[in-house]
Amino acid sequence: EAGVAQSPRYKIIEKRQSVAFWCNPISGHATLYWYQQILGQGPKLLIQFQNNGVVDDSQLPKDRFSAERLKGVDSTLKIQPAKLEDSAVYLCASSYQRGTDRAWEQFFGPGTRLTVL
Amino acid sequence: AQSVAQPEDQVNVAEGNPLTVKCTYSVSGNPYLFWYVQYPNRGLQFLLKYITGDNLVKGSYGFEAEFNKSQTSFHLKKPSALVSDSALYFCAVRDIGYGGATNKLIFGTGTLLAVQP
Repeated sequence: EAGVAQSPRYKIIEKRQSVAFWCNPISGHATLYWYQQILGQGPKLLIQFQNNGVVDDSQLPKDRFSAERLKGVDSTLKIQPAKLEDSAVYLCASSYQRGTDRAWEQFFGPGTRLTVL
Repeated sequence: AQSVAQPEDQVNVAEGNPLTVKCTYSVSGNPYLFWYVQYPNRGLQFLLKYITGDNLVKGSYGFEAEFNKSQTSFHLKKPSALVSDSALYFCAVRDIGYGGATNKLIFGTGTLLAVQP
């Protein structure tokens, strides 16, 4: 099966600018996740979608971050305006529908490395 | 709150020798535990999981992990290390927030495995 696709792979912006990341999950995966991975740390979940509904966005800084998953397939994550501390790798992952045996296996994309200057 | 700890930032092992990457957990309730591997410039890949059943879990690429309830540990092991196993390894635990409605994972800080030829 084709993997999770993300673009761009790298992005450099100045603080206070806006940026958007795109993710295309594995076909048939109902659940989509966005993680933030700061250098030297493990990934931290920002938001989780089940189809096109938000399941968990408790750690999403909603004053500057937003995400959507139109039609329950592709998703975009936006930062507006960016801060220096947003420099990180943004990982998208997808998994099967919750309640299935394989729902716990998350498939990750290659990530987008964001540098905020 | 659910958490995992990876006490070693780096593990060095010679090719052909057995390897162990350590993980301890702190959870309320039954733990759901996972190991993921991250190769350079690539997304995380699922290795194995423990939910219920045998304490010894077998996963991808010859890896296995031993669940030890009394020691609250879930160490990753492989009988004979390969140079190609060199990567960043993350232990993770299910977060039971939202009444278990999500498949949210909480990751450790990662352990860099370096296998010398």
